[in-house]
Amino acid sequence: DGGITQSPKYLFRKEGQNVTLSCEQNLNHDAMYWYRQDPGQGLRLIYYSQIVNDFQKGDIAEGYSVSREKKESFPLTVTSAQKNPTAFYLCGTKTQGADNSPLHFGNGTRLTVT
Amino acid sequence: AQSVTQPDIHITVSEGASLELRCNYSYGATPYLFWYVQSPGQGLQLLLKYFSGDTLVQGIKGFEAEFKRSQSSFNLRKPSVHWSDAAEYFCAVGGTSYGKLTFGQGTILTVHP
Repeated sequence: DGGITQSPKYLFRKEGQNVTLSCEQNLNHDAMYWYRQDPGQGLRLIYYSQIVNDFQKGDIAEGYSVSREKKESFPLTVTSAQKNPTAFYLCGTKTQGADNSPLHFGNGTRLTVT
Repeated sequence: AQSVTQPDIHITVSEGASLELRCNYSYGATPYLFWYVQSPGQGLQLLLKYFSGDTLVQGIKGFEAEFKRSQSSFNLRKPSVHWSDAAEYFCAVGGTSYGKLTFGQGTILTVHP
């Protein structure tokens, strides 16, 4: 089955530690996105990538980093510089960045930092 | 800059009643508009989309939405709500600029039996 796999579903970390969230897709989509969801704030774009080895900052990129070494994978690292990292993180993909195809989403990773 | 406003944070309806969720957008060109639904702890599922053409679009699960350019609105409707429709609903606007979607704050739908 084609789809987007985010792992793990739940992640717990101590403050000051970096943590990496995984996003893998077998939809053969070119474009991949990371969104952060907080209650009452909708989804906010962290980073996106239209092709391998290229990515751009979204609206709230500070304290986050990404890589796109393979078409199928777009991991997100939440660094210790992110002031309020506890949130629900959603990975999305679409066929190409600059077209009207919809975003497809994984099931998310809930990160809790204490 | 593009933006989306969903004026209603929380809506409660009785099962079998009709539903309308409001969405207002701001976008400089012809927008692409989407409605998504999210169950607790899950990702977002696409309900319907509008790109061009007929301003009344049909989606999955019996939902429809109407694009009104003059009002910058894209409201979601369903004639008769089922208990399984209880979820959070997000309106989103985008264009051809790298496929970036801007989401509204979401509307939580509660359905009473």
